[in-house]
Amino acid sequence: GESVGLHLPTLSVQEGDNSIINCAYSNSASDYFIWYKQESGKGPQFIIDIRSNMDKRQGQRVTVLLNKTVKHLSLQIAATQPGDSAVYFCAENFGPNSAGGTSYGKLTFGQGTILTVHP
Amino acid sequence: SQTIHQWPATLVQPVGSPLSLECTVEGTSNPNLYWYRQAAGRGLQLLFYSVGIGQISSEVPQNLSASRPQDRQFILSSKKLLLSDSGFYLCAWSGGGTQETQYFGPGTRLLVL
Repeated sequence: GESVGLHLPTLSVQEGDNSIINCAYSNSASDYFIWYKQESGKGPQFIIDIRSNMDKRQGQRVTVLLNKTVKHLSLQIAATQPGDSAVYFCAENFGPNSAGGTSYGKLTFGQGTILTVHP
Repeated sequence: SQTIHQWPATLVQPVGSPLSLECTVEGTSNPNLYWYRQAAGRGLQLLFYSVGIGQISSEVPQNLSASRPQDRQFILSSKKLLLSDSGFYLCAWSGGGTQETQYFGPGTRLLVL
C-alpha cells in the first residue's frame, strides 16, 4: 500500500510573482534534463529541457538553470498565473554511456513539487 | 504531429481479475515506448520500456507484463490483479537515438477492489 503521511514539497505564490522550483539530481553522469508539469488527473506535460553542455535555457515565461557542480536544477516561472498550479517534476537521463552506446531515453524522475498559485 | 492515446481512461476491477491497458502512438515510427505507474501523491515509477516490436525490458519485478505487438502499440497486462496494482498508469513515447524527451499519454486510472 501507499505510505501514509508522504508529502511532496509545496510552493505557494501569489499571481504575478515569480516562482522557483528546485531539484537535486543524483547522477553526475546525467547529460539531459527535463521539466514536466502535471495537472490533476492528467499525464505529465513537457515544459523545457536542457543538456549538460548548457547552464541556462529560456522558454516562454520559463527558464531552466543547471548547476553541474552541485547537481542542482531549477525551474523559474515568470509572472506566475493560476493556470500554472500543478505538480512539477524534474527528470534526468544518464545518456548513452550507461547502455553500451545505445541511448534508449530512460529517465529517472524526481518526486515532484506542488505549485499553488493564489489569485 | 504526434499524438499518444491510452484507454480506458478509468477502470475499476476486482482483485484476481485480468487486466489489459492499451497505448497507441500516431505520427511517428519506431518510437521507444514506456509504461509508468504513479501512486497518489508520488512520483513516476518506470515499469517497462520497449525499443522495438517484441522487445520488452522490465524494470521492477511484479505481476504485470507488457507486450508490443505492433510498432506503435504497447499493451500492459496482468493475469490476476492485486490491490497494490491500483494507481495511475501512464504510457510515454520518445524518438530513438538521442531524442530522449518523453511525451506522455493522458493516463489510465485503475482501482482494484
